[in-house]
Amino acid sequence: EADIYQTPRYLVIGTGKKITLECSQTMGHDKMYWYQQDPGMELHLIHYSYGVNSTEKGDLSSESTVSRIRTEHFPLTLESARPSHTSQYLCAIQTGGTGELFFGEGSRLTVL
Amino acid sequence: QKEVEQDPGPLSVPEGAIVSLNCTYSNSAFQYFMWYRQYSRKGPELLMYTYSSGNKEDGRFTAQVDKSSKYISLFIRDSQPSDSATYLCAMSAIRIGRGSSNTGKLIFGQGTTLQVKP
Repeated sequence: EADIYQTPRYLVIGTGKKITLECSQTMGHDKMYWYQQDPGMELHLIHYSYGVNSTEKGDLSSESTVSRIRTEHFPLTLESARPSHTSQYLCAIQTGGTGELFFGEGSRLTVL
Repeated sequence: QKEVEQDPGPLSVPEGAIVSLNCTYSNSAFQYFMWYRQYSRKGPELLMYTYSSGNKEDGRFTAQVDKSSKYISLFIRDSQPSDSATYLCAMSAIRIGRGSSNTGKLIFGQGTTLQVKP
C-alpha cells in the first residue's frame, strides 16, 4: 500500500488562468505518472517521471507541463487553462513487486 | 481500432448475481493483465493482476485470461451493492517491476459501469 495525495480535489477556474495540480507521496517511490480521464473514457498517460529531474511526455499530447524537483512531489501545471482542459487528472505511483500502479483520488478540473 | 476494447455498459444486475466483465485486445504482445475498480469521483484501485493465460481467484473475484482469443474476463460471484463501480481492464506488453527502465505504460480499456441493485 502507498500513500499518494492529490490537491485540489475539485477546481473551477476561468479561461486563461494558470493552475497547478499537486501530487505528493510519502514512500519515496521513483516512478510517478499523470493520467487524464474524461467522463466515460479510458485513462491516457500524459506525463511520467523515473525520479528527480526526470520527466517525459506520455502517449496523449498535453499542453500541461510537469516537474520533479523532489522525489515526493510531481506537480502538473497549465500555464493558460482552456475549456478543452476540463477533465479529471489522476496521479499514480509505481511500486516494486508486481509493479502495480497506485492512484490518487484525482483532481477534477473545470475550466469555464 | 483501439488496442483494448471494453463495453462501457452500464450493466445492471440484482444482488447475488454472477457478473462477467470482459475486454478484448489486439496486441498479441500483451502479457500482463490487470483489473481496476473505480468508484465515482475516486481514483482506480487495483483488484487483480495476472500474467499470461490462466485463471486467478481472490475471494469473490476471478480473473481469466485467454491469450489465444485475446480476451480477458473478470467474474464477480455473489455480487453486492458495494460492487457498484466502474471496472477498468489494463494491460502491458512488458514487465513493470523494480529497477526496470520501461514506463508504466498500461493500456486501459474504457471501463464498464456496473450497478448491483439490492
